[in-house]
This record gives sequence, C-alpha cells and structure tokens, in this order.
Amino acid sequence: GQNIDQPTEMTATEGAIVQINCTYQTSGFNGLFWYQQHAGEAPTFLSYNVLDGLEEKGRFSSFLSRSKGYSYLLLKELQMKDSASYLCAVVSNDYKLSFGAGTTVTVRA
Amino acid sequence: GAVVSQHPSRVICKSGTSVKIECRSLDFQATTMFWYRQFPKQSLMLMATSNEGSKATYEQGVEKDKFLINHASLTLSTLTVTSAHPEDSSFYICSAGFDRDYEQYFGPGTRLTVT
Repeated sequence: GQNIDQPTEMTATEGAIVQINCTYQTSGFNGLFWYQQHAGEAPTFLSYNVLDGLEEKGRFSSFLSRSKGYSYLLLKELQMKDSASYLCAVVSNDYKLSFGAGTTVTVRA
Repeated sequence: GAVVSQHPSRVICKSGTSVKIECRSLDFQATTMFWYRQFPKQSLMLMATSNEGSKATYEQGVEKDKFLINHASLTLSTLTVTSAHPEDSSFYICSAGFDRDYEQYFGPGTRLTVT
C-alpha cells in the first residue's frame, strides 16, 4: 500500500520562503512529483525527482531523499498567486500515481 | 505539447440519469489514461486505469458497473457515470500518459453535480 503524508495547511507572507515536506512509504518507487492545484482546476506539474538531491527550477525547488522516504518543495519569493494546494505524488512500478492529501498554502500580503 | 481536454467542464444532472465525460489527448497518442475523483478539500483518488482496446482496471472500492470506462482509441477515453446519485457529485479529472514515461498530463476536470 501507499502512505503519503504532508501538512494540511501553511501560511506565509508575500516575499517569504515556505517549505512543504512530504514523507512516503510505498511499495515500489519510480519517482516523486509535486503538483500545484488551484481550486476547481486540474493539477499542474511543478517537478519530478527520481534521484536523490535538489532540483531547482526558478522560484521552486524540490528535494528527494529516497533512503529517508522524504521530499520537500521549496517556494521562494512567495507571490499572492502562489496561494494554492500543493500535492505530493509518488509513482509506483505500474505507472500509477498515489497522491498525498495536499497542503493548502495561503500567502498573505 | 501534451495537451489533454475534457468535456464537459461542468454538468448538472438529475438523480438516476447517466452522464458521459470525454477525455481526449489532443496532440499525442496516449497509451494509458487514468480517471480520478476529487471531493472538496480532499486529494485526487485514482478510480481506474484504462489502456486502449482493453478493459479498464478499477481500484478497490470503485464499482465498475457504475463507472463505465471505454478507451476506444489512443486519443479518447470516456467515463460514464450510470444511475447517478447526489453522492457521485464530485470533480472528475482524467490524465494521459505514454509508455515508459511516468509523467501524467492532466485534463482540466469536470465538475459533476447530481440533484
């Protein structure tokens, strides 16, 4: 089975940095995705990690440690438009994605 | 590239009727399509996986006779919610993927409301 945990909510100030942690225990691992989802919309791709380490892409970075079953998404220079739900998802051997419950990030002025 | 569309974007139907949702990959041939359901303030839950020309594989707890999936071509999959009830009201999202590519490309979702 799959068990993916991430915090329910986080609040931060515009211009600040927020780190969203995700821990997982899964049977079979072929990478971890982070998605952003605004209310009423489909998820949009942010990052994919399959090797240990940090991947940086503009204001967003994602880190993976396979031995610890741990990942984080780092959002820098927060903007109001970054207020959204952030989903951690693990892909298993059969190409299926298992999603965490999502972390709602609220950015305040 | 890798654009997936869904139709309709919103649908309201009466209890007991059936509703069909279409999922199309517009600029690529999708080996596999996935159907998810998302209730308010919850994450996406995989309902079923479909491959072109074969029967869909349903996740545990999903009634295959209620949620009919047809994957007639490499660019089209349909989900039919039969005899819909108010508890079927949800956000239905499809995604499409290639062989040997773990990324899934999501459609914009369909909001189903059953009255």
